[in-house]
Amino acid sequence: QVELVESGGGLVKPGGSLRLSCAASGFTFSDNYISWIRQAPGKGLEWISYISSSGSSTYHADSVKGRFTISRDNAKNSLYLQMNSLRAEDTAVYYCARQQLPAYFDYWGQGTLVTVSS
Amino acid sequence: SYELTQPPSVSVSPGQTARITCSGDALPKQYTYWYQQKPGQAPVLVMYKDSERPSGIPGRFSGFSSGTTVTLIISGVRAEDEADYYCQSGDTSGTSNVVFGGGTKLTVL
Repeated sequence: QVELVESGGGLVKPGGSLRLSCAASGFTFSDNYISWIRQAPGKGLEWISYISSSGSSTYHADSVKGRFTISRDNAKNSLYLQMNSLRAEDTAVYYCARQQLPAYFDYWGQGTLVTVSS
Repeated sequence: SYELTQPPSVSVSPGQTARITCSGDALPKQYTYWYQQKPGQAPVLVMYKDSERPSGIPGRFSGFSSGTTVTLIISGVRAEDEADYYCQSGDTSGTSNVVFGGGTKLTVL
């Protein structure tokens, strides 16, 4: 069965960095686009980034552009999100999700919590 | 920026029909998708391409599209359907943006 497992969340100070990982299993990882979607406490869903199946194409929402970088290692069935210059407003649960074209999400991980606070 | 508008809350009694709407100017040109999220859990896809139901989703869930409004319909609502529901689509600006609605809290009275 399809499984996505995020890790790497935690408490970080404003201006700090964090790298999230997402381990995939149960499907051919290299055939699929994958996205990061976040949810601030008590708030709605916000899509922040996607990466194409080969990794050659990426896209980041304006809210994280220039600070976050999505990447993948198809040999390891893994997705990453490098988060730099973190701000309090980046505090959220971060989900990785398998993306189907044109753009929707059929499987989600359980999420990892990132808290940005001094 | 492009927005999808949902009512903050909908309440129905068990066995009744719940209708959750999602409105957006681009919806006539874009598919809409729906996710169910229960407290402390990840979202689950319950409807795709306006009215297609993923495998494993009960038949009481259906979707309907008309103009700039798409509706998620839950017939014969059960207590287990109480959750937040989010619609999702894309805008037409060509930037590959994914847009979520603000979410609707479905309360089963």
